[in-house]
Amino acid sequence: ETGVTQTPRHLVMGMTNKKSLKCEQHLGHNAMYWYKQSAKKPLELMFVYNFKEQTENNSVPSRFSPECPNSSHLFLHLHTLQPEDSALYLCASSQQTGLAGVDEQFFGPGTRLTVL
Amino acid sequence: AQSVAQPEDQVNVAEGNPLTVKCTYSVSGNPYLFWYVQYPNRGLQFLLKYITGDNLVKGSYGFEAEFNKSQTSFHLKKPSALVSDSALYFCAVRGRNFNKFYFGSGTKLNVKP
Repeated sequence: ETGVTQTPRHLVMGMTNKKSLKCEQHLGHNAMYWYKQSAKKPLELMFVYNFKEQTENNSVPSRFSPECPNSSHLFLHLHTLQPEDSALYLCASSQQTGLAGVDEQFFGPGTRLTVL
Repeated sequence: AQSVAQPEDQVNVAEGNPLTVKCTYSVSGNPYLFWYVQYPNRGLQFLLKYITGDNLVKGSYGFEAEFNKSQTSFHLKKPSALVSDSALYFCAVRGRNFNKFYFGSGTKLNVKP
C-alpha cells in the first residue's frame, strides 16, 4: 500500500444528498491533492493544499468543497451533485521541496462515486 | 501551457516481447516528467521520473524511460513484457507551479501470454 487511504471506497448518492470523501496520508507529506478520473480522459486536478493552505482550485464547481484540517487529512464535501460528476476521485500526497527537488505523488485507491 | 499527450489508447504486446508506451510533452522551462501505473481498483503507483542528467531513466519493475528533448518525448519501455504488466499507464509533467502536475489520458497495456 502507498500510505494514502481513502474512505469510502464506493459511494452512491442522489443529486440532493450531502456526503463527504475522506483522505488520510501516513507519509508525513506537506501537500495533498484531489483529482477526478473519468474514463479515457486525463486526470483532472481539482484542488491542492500545501501546509494546510489551498494553493490551487482548478475552476471546480462550488458543489465540491474541500477541507484540509491538518497536513494529514483532506476532505471533499459534496452537495447537489450532477450525474456527470460520477467518476473515480483520487487523493494524493507529496513532499514539496521547491527547487531543491521534485518529488512524486503517492495516490490513494480512490472513491468510486455514482450520482443518480 | 503545460500538457502531456499519450497518442495510444491501447498497446497490445505478447509476453516476452519488448514494449513501448509513448508520451510527448509540452512545457515551458525544464521538464520534470513522470510515469505512473494503475492496476484495477487501485490508485496510481509511481514508476520513475526524469529530473535532469542521463536521458535513460530506470524505474520499478524493470521499466525504463528515455527522455528525448528534441522530440519532446518520454517513452516508457521494458525489454521483456510480463502478463502482470497489464495495466493503465499514465505519463505526467510537473508545471512551473510546484504543486501542479499534468497527466495524460492513459494508455492501456495488454500483455498476452
